[in-house]
Amino acid sequence: DQQVKQNSPSLSVQEGRISILNCDYTNSMFDYFLWYKKYPAEGPTFLISISSIKDKNEDGRFTVFLNKSAKHLSLHIVPSQPGDSAVYFCAATLGGGATNKLIFGTGTLLAVQP
Amino acid sequence: DAGVTQSPTHLIKTRGQQVTLRCSPKSGHDTVSWYQQALGQGPQFIFQYYEEEERQRGNFPDRFSGHQFPNYSSELNVNALLLGDSALYLCASSFSIRVEAFFGQGTRLTVV
Repeated sequence: DQQVKQNSPSLSVQEGRISILNCDYTNSMFDYFLWYKKYPAEGPTFLISISSIKDKNEDGRFTVFLNKSAKHLSLHIVPSQPGDSAVYFCAATLGGGATNKLIFGTGTLLAVQP
Repeated sequence: DAGVTQSPTHLIKTRGQQVTLRCSPKSGHDTVSWYQQALGQGPQFIFQYYEEEERQRGNFPDRFSGHQFPNYSSELNVNALLLGDSALYLCASSFSIRVEAFFGQGTRLTVV
């Protein structure tokens, strides 16, 4: 039962344009959502998180939007850079706090073309 | 400030053998979680340790066990290895009041 879904396996964007990565979830009890970036042969790197009581969180070029009614969140990267090329994972937690497990989606491979 | 470190980086084992993977958390972190990432999939939660006790466990058989030491470092043990245990094993650490977990580079386990 996949509670966190990333339906787009890959995305290609031109340098300087906006990248939009999408994530859907099924469990309305999730209280935090996180985005991680993963390069080959490295572990996932934390990018940005959002609490379920908010609808937007911004950190530099990265903005996450949460639509609870649609059970949907998205990560916007503006402007996209070639170094952003990586696999992006959406994750969710239950119960709040660091002692709860992360439930990951299957990832989206972003390719930013120079 | 050293991040999360895992050892070894790569490992090849034979079916039926046992393996131990090691993790040192980021400085100041007291919680360690282990994940298994199969090819083309997202990381799957194995278990989490806090104050030297297993606090949560995912849907993995008892062949998977772990330990956390007083210095917060952790080990993951897998007994009676199966071909299907071949995967990237990731360790993540966090500080108990923060949601964000920080990952190590992983251990690539190949079972032949």
